[in-house]
Amino acid sequence: RKEVEQDPGPFNVPEGATVAFNCTYSNSASQSFFWYRQDCRKEPKLLMSVYSSGNEDGRFTAQLNRASQYISLLIRDSKLSDSATYLCVVNRNPGAGSYQLTFGKGTKLSVIP
Amino acid sequence: EPEVTQTPSHQVTQMGQEVILRCVPISNHLYFYWYRQILGQKVEFLVSFYNNEISEKSEIFDDQFSVERPDGSNFTLKIRSTKLEDSAMYFCASRDRGSGNTIYFGEGSWLTVV
Repeated sequence: RKEVEQDPGPFNVPEGATVAFNCTYSNSASQSFFWYRQDCRKEPKLLMSVYSSGNEDGRFTAQLNRASQYISLLIRDSKLSDSATYLCVVNRNPGAGSYQLTFGKGTKLSVIP
Repeated sequence: EPEVTQTPSHQVTQMGQEVILRCVPISNHLYFYWYRQILGQKVEFLVSFYNNEISEKSEIFDDQFSVERPDGSNFTLKIRSTKLEDSAMYFCASRDRGSGNTIYFGEGSWLTVV
């Protein structure tokens, strides 16, 4: 089983649509969770951290289910500028100074006018 | 906003040649990293560096690879004898002290081995 698994997509959605990304992780010792976005041939950029209670940042909502080892990202009212690859990222052991991020392969989103 | 800078942005090298990729982390950061991404694949951890030594490395980071912080600002990745499969985007990253702090990535150095 892959450490971090995502639907590769691509997801092609019209502007204004709501789109959901799902991710599962295999290591139950994982401690912190993130969604990054990556534009073509660019560096990953942190979109948001994911907390157990769920968290929201504007049009973006992230959820974590530790029991199911499942992470989600919801984008509401999608914009053309949301077109990118969305990376699910897990950190196994942040407390000891370790910051070995494990990336999923990403889900590509294209928002269509 | 402070940023991690990397040079070169793109390098083409012949198989067997040595390559040095350079990075200037954010100035007050203490933890430094190299990741790589082969075209079409996921981002993969290579190595982390703290207090002038390697703190962790992955299976990818074999004896061909080395890292160095030669002065107070630069952080370098050296590939001693490049192979075709080393062709990838190499991302440098840095982080401040504290387990919750964000890791910041540079724009990457695209290495093509021919």
